[in-house]
Amino acid sequence: QVQLRESGPGLVRPSETLSLTCTVSGGSISGYCWNWIRQTPGKGLEWIGYIYDSGSTYYNRSLESRVTISVDTSKNQFSLKLNSVTAADTALYFCARVKDIEFDYWGQGILVTVSS
Amino acid sequence: QVVVTQSPTASASLGASVNLTCTLSSGHSKYAIAWHQQQPEKGPRYLLRLNRDGSHIKGDGIPDRFSGSSSGAERYLTISRLQSEDEADYYCQTWGTGIPAFGGGTKLTVL
Repeated sequence: QVQLRESGPGLVRPSETLSLTCTVSGGSISGYCWNWIRQTPGKGLEWIGYIYDSGSTYYNRSLESRVTISVDTSKNQFSLKLNSVTAADTALYFCARVKDIEFDYWGQGILVTVSS
Repeated sequence: QVVVTQSPTASASLGASVNLTCTLSSGHSKYAIAWHQQQPEKGPRYLLRLNRDGSHIKGDGIPDRFSGSSSGAERYLTISRLQSEDEADYYCQTWGTGIPAFGGGTKLTVL
């Protein structure tokens, strides 16, 4: 059974960089599309971006100037960096795998709060 | 770009059945969608993929009580024999031109 788990700091100061890692277990990271999604009460589920095992990426246009997603196939991990964060970036962050059009596996989520 | 619309709330009694609806925007009635369940304090869980012809493929371990059907631009999730643990938010999701689209979610209350 494929499992995804997010890890990283739960508190980030304004203007700094949010950094999260998703560790994939029970399956290979190769051959799939790996995504970051966040959830806030006001905006629901917001897709951030994705990466393939090849390193090819695509980002939400509203965030692309601040986002970098990378992959480490040797560790079966992929990561998110979001710079210049503000309180509006406070959210529950999920990693998820896409198979065809559906997100078929999700992490449990990690709450990141932006505050000084 | 495709837009998916869901009613914000639904309710049904314990042991009964409920249909949740996801509507695809004009011009996108042929799109397949996926349904996801998010129980309180948990991450989303993939339930099933639903094609325009009503055929569906369930995720790992999803009970037979969950099924899907389609009609035109509407995509339905039917939950039979409702249990208390079915009280959750249900999200519809599809994939547009290079990016995914999520519905706003339906909060299901089991009475």
